Amino acid sequence: QSVLTQPPSASGTPGQRVTISCSGSSSNIGSNTVDWYQHLPGTAPKLLIYSNNQRPSGVPDRFSGSKSGTSTSLAISGLQSEDEADYYCAAWDDSLNGWVFGGGTKLTVL
Amino acid sequence: EVQLVESGGGLVQPGGSLRLSCAASGFTFSGYSMHWVRQAPGKGLEYVSGISSNGGSTYYSNSVKGRFTISRDNSKNTLYLQMGSLRPEDMAVYYCARGGYTVTSRMDVWGKGTTVTVSS
Repeated sequence: QSVLTQPPSASGTPGQRVTISCSGSSSNIGSNTVDWYQHLPGTAPKLLIYSNNQRPSGVPDRFSGSKSGTSTSLAISGLQSEDEADYYCAAWDDSLNGWVFGGGTKLTVL
Repeated sequence: EVQLVESGGGLVQPGGSLRLSCAASGFTFSGYSMHWVRQAPGKGLEYVSGISSNGGSTYYSNSVKGRFTISRDNSKNTLYLQMGSLRPEDMAVYYCARGGYTVTSRMDVWGKGTTVTVSS
């Protein structure tokens, strides 16, 4: 069982807005910033959002992140078929002294 | 081009050992912390281990502590993961990832992974 909790699946139609949630505790999300990764099986995971809401260069502004307390969320607007992938939240955990990941959310574009 | 290339994966029997390598290029390797993250078949990403930029500090998940050792050779731009007492549950694709100046900073570059199979 993962330290950070994500829904196992999410879905939407092209053009729609989808939100993926991630909840943790005071030792991880509550006291450190959150990153989000996009992963297609067989490929290298890709940093999508860092420091809660920052986008690396090259990531479309359709992707946004937010954080409140011990919860965080990733929003994808204008959903596209290429967005179909697994999404993971991650944060440093002060108690475990290491990174923790969410269990991942499989996004399906219908 | 910033690149990480893992190698060293393969088939190993339970209880055996294996050393993974991650060759870095396109950036000043010695300026970044580095990490290993794995994905078991049908499972999500799991943090394995991390190391500071100068190798002076190391971090391990509870699941590998005492069995795995992370190290780096900044003169060779290479990260290592020495894995021992391997168990079937260690079977996974192992990714190396570049961290930030500190180990608590984001992992912004990832390799394509190397596969470790633990089976008799």
